[in-house]
Amino acid sequence: GAGVSQSPSNKVTEKGKDVELRCDPISGHTALYWYRQSLGQGLEFLIYFQGNSAPDKSGLPSDRFSAERTGGSVSTLTIQRTQQEDSAVYLCASSLALAGGPHGELFFGEGSRLTVL
Amino acid sequence: GNSVTQMEGPVTLSEEAFLTINCTYTATGYPSLFWYVQYPGEGLQLLLKATKADDKGSNKGFEATYRKETTSFHLEKGSVQVSDSAVYFCALSDRNAGGTSYGKLTFGQGTILTVHP
Repeated sequence: GAGVSQSPSNKVTEKGKDVELRCDPISGHTALYWYRQSLGQGLEFLIYFQGNSAPDKSGLPSDRFSAERTGGSVSTLTIQRTQQEDSAVYLCASSLALAGGPHGELFFGEGSRLTVL
Repeated sequence: GNSVTQMEGPVTLSEEAFLTINCTYTATGYPSLFWYVQYPGEGLQLLLKATKADDKGSNKGFEATYRKETTSFHLEKGSVQVSDSAVYFCALSDRNAGGTSYGKLTFGQGTILTVHP
């Protein structure tokens, strides 16, 4: 597709279960970002990738959260042993180059809404 | 660290009213500044940007001027329409003195705008 694709769009899980969220960036975009949007909150940075490496993972809330990117393309965000406070919309974005620089416009997917019961 | 503070919403206006959404920032380097918009049911998209002091970004009748002296990037529109109803996010991407991005966008908490006919 032409845009950033995320799946699933909606996920309901029970506390303690693991979940995987997937992001397909725009073809050719080298930078990929994960953000979290909670009700009434702004966008909370989680991690970004440049190619397959993650220069900044400072926003991951705990060691239950991890992310990887393979082939410079698809990325997976994994949350282990989910807690109710993990409930949020998880947004993925990609860009041709690093945000803020030339060609650094972020293109966002529509998000994966996670509900932990 | 870097941060972005937006005026609290929600903001409710009548069609053709003047809009201002305040945004102030703190940054350690030389940031680029952005406004992103999230229409109902859609992903975030870039509205406008400015990369250096005194630059004015504009798009779809919206404007914002990068004011370094007041560390602000207020969003304005002279005459809003019902179709402008959305959530607006101010954001920054910090850069070093050489202009190299540090890689991520820092967002404000978002301002909900509702425009009535």
